[in-house]
Amino acid sequence: AQSVTQPDIHITVSEGASLELRCNYSYGATPYLFWYVQSPGQGLQLLLKYFSGDTLVQGIKGFEAEFKRSQSSFNLRKPSVHWSDAAEYFCAVVPGTASKLTFGTGTRLQVTL
Amino acid sequence: GAGVSQTPSNKVTEKGKYVELRCDPISGHTALYWYRQSLGQGPEFLIYFQGTGAADDSGLPNDRFFAVRPEGSVSTLKIQRTERGDSAVYLCASSLHGGYNEQFFGPGTRLTVL
Repeated sequence: AQSVTQPDIHITVSEGASLELRCNYSYGATPYLFWYVQSPGQGLQLLLKYFSGDTLVQGIKGFEAEFKRSQSSFNLRKPSVHWSDAAEYFCAVVPGTASKLTFGTGTRLQVTL
Repeated sequence: GAGVSQTPSNKVTEKGKYVELRCDPISGHTALYWYRQSLGQGPEFLIYFQGTGAADDSGLPNDRFFAVRPEGSVSTLKIQRTERGDSAVYLCASSLHGGYNEQFFGPGTRLTVL
């Protein structure tokens, strides 16, 4: 069965600093990969997704992610974090033949001013 | 346009009671999903509807959980004989056609079982 691992439960960065959130997946073939953000009191919002093609994908709010097949990873990055980026971030996978999302346990991002 | 809506936003009930949670998907979306998110965890899949039928109910934890979507739009998640372990945020999502199309999530219903 597919699974997603987010090894960092909690990350703190300073505003303006760069950010990388780690995500590793376990699946036999190339899955469809997603990053979602969940802010307090708000629903999950899709940041970006990878299906095929260019392994570096751009998303909303200045986020990007890179798919690395050799490492089974799909890490999320942002060059300069803003205080409003403080939220919970979830990596998720959809196996090629299924429709349901399998989520990681999430990484809580705290931004210090 | 309107996003996915869920009612109620909060539900407090007593152990053993029956509850219904409602989801209104985005108009025109044929696929509808229910997920459950426990404290400190990522959402876990419960059930997926394509139109009126449950295409995948493999995530329902036991037979106390049931969901319907009789007209292919609004869905209701029903929980019988609630237990304290059912306390969680129940999320609904919809997508245009299912598959790997983007899923749009509602704000969730926080269920507390006392």
